[in-house]
Amino acid sequence: DSGVTQTPKHLITATGQRVTLRCSPRSGDLSVYWYQQSLDQGLQFLIQYYNGEERAKGNILERFSAQQFPDLHSELNLSSLELGDSALYFCASSPLGRTEEHSPLHFGNGTRLTVT
Amino acid sequence: GEDVEQSLFLSVREGDSSVINCTYTDSSSTYLYWYKQEPGAGLQLLTYIFSNMDMKQDQRLTVLLNKKDKHLSLRIADTQTGDSAIYFCADFTGGGNKLTFGTGTQLKVEL
Repeated sequence: DSGVTQTPKHLITATGQRVTLRCSPRSGDLSVYWYQQSLDQGLQFLIQYYNGEERAKGNILERFSAQQFPDLHSELNLSSLELGDSALYFCASSPLGRTEEHSPLHFGNGTRLTVT
Repeated sequence: GEDVEQSLFLSVREGDSSVINCTYTDSSSTYLYWYKQEPGAGLQLLTYIFSNMDMKQDQRLTVLLNKKDKHLSLRIADTQTGDSAIYFCADFTGGGNKLTFGTGTQLKVEL
């Protein structure tokens, strides 16, 4: 068990809808990362938050947004969903987030999103 | 941009050693990682190596890094059926503050 908790485990929704994925980082970790895993794109970095602030942005669509709350949990919001958004969405956390320091990323078990 | 490549499949017999290879392009990579993903599960951190190291050993796992050739390998000694999974190589670059993953190598362990 990595200590990173993601809910829900599975989500099935229709095109055009909006969903929210939730992540609770490991105790003490200040950084949260979101990744998308799909068959055609592999594992793609979406966005990182550190202590409530956006720190790095990857291949995140404008229809997607995220935030990190004062208690350090994070939510990934996906709107105007398309069939191609079906994927496994992972959250990872680490203690630090500054570029000059580093510690390993620990991943949750993911949320499997199916858009029908 | 960064690119990390791995072969897609590897099949070994139980008890043999497995060697999974990875190449990366970013010369500013500071840490290189190996993650394991079992069916229906998340990404489990196996080990990682700092870019100024050549080798790291952790029980049955040995990581070799050739920084000049930008080549990373993961050796699993005495491979067991429980090692069957997809193995991802990833590199971390401080400037981008993110992990870039390879495509993953599916390891199949046969009896």
